[in-house]
Amino acid sequence: DQQVKQNSPSLSVQEGRISILNCDYTNSMFDYFLWYKKYPAEGPTFLISISSIKDKNEDGRFTVFLNKSAKHLSLHIVPSQPGDSAVYFCAPTYSGAGSYQLTFGKGTKLSVIP
Amino acid sequence: ETGVTQTPRHLVMGMTNKKSLKCEQHLGHNAMYWYKQSAKKPLELMFVYSLEERVENNSVPSRFSPECPNSSHLFLHLHTLQPEDSALYLCASSQDIGGFNIQYFGAGTRLSVL
Repeated sequence: DQQVKQNSPSLSVQEGRISILNCDYTNSMFDYFLWYKKYPAEGPTFLISISSIKDKNEDGRFTVFLNKSAKHLSLHIVPSQPGDSAVYFCAPTYSGAGSYQLTFGKGTKLSVIP
Repeated sequence: ETGVTQTPRHLVMGMTNKKSLKCEQHLGHNAMYWYKQSAKKPLELMFVYSLEERVENNSVPSRFSPECPNSSHLFLHLHTLQPEDSALYLCASSQDIGGFNIQYFGAGTRLSVL
């Protein structure tokens, strides 16, 4: 039973356009949401996060939106660059004492075409 | 030098072999993790250590045996593995356990069990 779903295994976007990656979750206990990015032959690297008390967090070209009622979050990259080509993982968690588990989605492979 | 280093990067072993995976973090973190990523599956948490004490064993078979001799080193001892154990094994560390602590990943060990 997948608690985290990234329903698009892959996405192709033209350089300079917006990339939108989506993530749905089922566990209402999640209150902190992370996005990781993974290049081939490397481990995942932290990209951006959002707390459930916010509905938007922006860091340069990357913005994450959270819709708690829909249990949905999205990552926007604008403008997209070829170096953004990677697999992106959504990883919700909960921030309570003693919690530590990240629950990863299967990932979306983004290809940015020059 | 990356913050989390895993060796070896690739490992091929027979089902009767005994081998060990090594992880070292240079970030001064107190928590370390082992994850498994099988083909077309999300990352699965295997073990969590906080201040060298194991705090989670996520229903992992006993043929996987973790060891954390100090807060900078984490090992995964492997014996009598099965072909379905072939996967990418990722190590991660974070300052402490708890949802707000970002996990930093190594590049992983690609394991093939023949």
